[in-house]
Amino acid sequence: KAGVTQTPRYLIKTRGQQVTLSCSPISGHRSVSWYQQTPGQGLQFLFEYFSETQRNKGNFPGRFSGRQFSNSRSEMNVSTLELGDSALYLCASSRRQGRYNEQFFGPGTRLTVL
Amino acid sequence: GQQLNQSPQSMFIQEGEDVSMNCTSSSIFNTWLWYKQDPGEGPVLLIALYKAGELTSNGRLTAQFGITRKDSFLNISASIPSDVGIYFCAGRNNQGGKLIFGQGTELSVKP
Repeated sequence: KAGVTQTPRYLIKTRGQQVTLSCSPISGHRSVSWYQQTPGQGLQFLFEYFSETQRNKGNFPGRFSGRQFSNSRSEMNVSTLELGDSALYLCASSRRQGRYNEQFFGPGTRLTVL
Repeated sequence: GQQLNQSPQSMFIQEGEDVSMNCTSSSIFNTWLWYKQDPGEGPVLLIALYKAGELTSNGRLTAQFGITRKDSFLNISASIPSDVGIYFCAGRNNQGGKLIFGQGTELSVKP
């Protein structure tokens, strides 16, 4: 069974640009969560989608947005990039939300903002 | 917001030694998870705990869900070089799938 895949794996952008990251969950998984990982802040929850609806949201500015498609694939978008947005962005999928439905992580997209 | 305090931040041990790390929370969780992350990869789930007092093993790894529901620990016995990596605890309360992560424990194993 294929794992969570994320594309692209590496991305370099400049300040002010916008970026879209993609995540394909494990087959049969309908919940997708996004996390930002930085050396200073660790792993921070961005948002969670289930059945194309955002179910949970972390404490990030509105520049960070996401969506989920009917096939459960998800994208996240960051507009007006700032230097501090440089991070590893991780996607995780699970069958459903909540307890006993643990999340499996993809390898991440390493975003560098210059 | 909720925070998890994970300690120690880093450990340098000799191959064959046992390792212990723990996490404490300011609030109650109903799920505790332990992940390991290798460089350039996403975290991999090691152990999941769902009940206060629960003790669960996965090979040489053993983790416990604290009785107060505000803490958890992970033990690794007889460490080997491939145990090197960053170990994260994560907790979840009743708010859907949102996980709160500890800051990680970086483990180095000297052969």
